[in-house]
Amino acid sequence: EAGVTQFPSHSVIEKGQTVTLRCDPISGHDNLYWYRRVMGKEIKFLLHFVKESKQDESGMPNNRFLAERTGGTYSTLKVQPAELEDSGVYFCASSGHMNTEAFFGQGTRLTVV
Amino acid sequence: KQEVTQIPAALSVPEGENLVLNCSFTDSAIYNLQWFRQDPGKGLTSLLLIQSSQREQTSGRLNASLDKSSGRSTLYIAASQPGDSATYLCAAMNSGYSTLTFGKGTMLLVSP
Repeated sequence: EAGVTQFPSHSVIEKGQTVTLRCDPISGHDNLYWYRRVMGKEIKFLLHFVKESKQDESGMPNNRFLAERTGGTYSTLKVQPAELEDSGVYFCASSGHMNTEAFFGQGTRLTVV
Repeated sequence: KQEVTQIPAALSVPEGENLVLNCSFTDSAIYNLQWFRQDPGKGLTSLLLIQSSQREQTSGRLNASLDKSSGRSTLYIAASQPGDSATYLCAAMNSGYSTLTFGKGTMLLVSP
């Protein structure tokens, strides 16, 4: 069984540009989460999808971040326009049911220069 | 607001030692607690998940305990090996939510 897959693994962009991160959850997992770790800080929650609906987006830092999950399958996280403080590692996770074990992807390392 | 703290931040031990990693959380109303391992440049690998009704979970040389009343969890690693070198993270899932609050992690180095 394939795990959670994230693309790209690394991305370096200039300030002001747009970047789109993609996450493919484990097949059949309705719950999909985005987390982020910035330098020196702990991993923090960004948002939670149940199928195609946003269950909780309380962790999204500002309106430059847009997450979608069309058809309840893969998800994208777009940052537009990117700022220097957006640099970090973005993790995606999925679970079969709420409050059950979460499985994480390899993460996307985003560097904004 | 839940806060998770991990002590120590870094730990270096010789191969073969038994060791304990500590995790504390401020809000005892958790649904479960999960321990992860992260290798450099890699994702998070789930090691153990303890439900709030459980006291401990074991997997191979790993044993995790949970004491909700005191807001503490420990990860015990027996007979450590160089391959155990990684960052260990604990994360609490609060009741009523489905999201994890992470600690900053303990960086473990096991020397041959």
